Amino acid sequence: GAVVSQHPSWVICKSGTSVKIECRSLDFQATTMFWYRQFPKQSLMLMATSNEGSKATYEQGVEKDKFLINHASLTLSTLTVTSAHPEDSSFYICSARVRSGGAYNEQFFGPGTRLTVL
Amino acid sequence: AQSVSQHNHHVILSEAASLELGCNYSYGGTVNLFWYVQYPGQHLQLLLKYFSGDPLVKGIKGFEAEFIKSKFSFNLRKPSVQWSDTAEYFCAVNAGGNKLVFGAGTILRVKS
Repeated sequence: GAVVSQHPSWVICKSGTSVKIECRSLDFQATTMFWYRQFPKQSLMLMATSNEGSKATYEQGVEKDKFLINHASLTLSTLTVTSAHPEDSSFYICSARVRSGGAYNEQFFGPGTRLTVL
Repeated sequence: AQSVSQHNHHVILSEAASLELGCNYSYGGTVNLFWYVQYPGQHLQLLLKYFSGDPLVKGIKGFEAEFIKSKFSFNLRKPSVQWSDTAEYFCAVNAGGNKLVFGAGTILRVKS
């Protein structure tokens, strides 16, 4: 159980276009999903926290108009990279938090999406 | 701000060798600490976690980690590694609100 999928697994796009990445929790409901970005040989950097039915909370330095996040249901969150540029090329990873009580709920990670902007 | 430091970016070991990966964190409050593993081509998986209680935490696949509060450390250990342990290992701390702050990762290569 606790499987998170991402689609697409990789995408190549032209500069100036927009790209949408989906994150789904396949067998559980996720009240919160997180979006991370990973540069080569670097760690995962949290971009934003997405709560179902409300606006996403973005980390400092992340442009909310550039990276649009929608969490319309308990099993789906989307990240749209708008007007993509080569510097947006990266590995984007989502995670989903199991909906239950307690001070901390484990996050389950998706396999990631490799975005290349030409 | 919270930060996590992993001491080695690359580690190469022979099978049956013992493993210790260093992790230090910077956070003044109560911490929840994690080790994640990412096998080649796969997603991040939780190896083990520490919330409270016994500072020696047992995880999956024979891994363990020790929380030493005075040293702000949470080192990962395994007495005898296998070729299948080849992966990237990430230490992380819960920065509040269920947000995780990750270290830079350590790539472990086990030679058969």
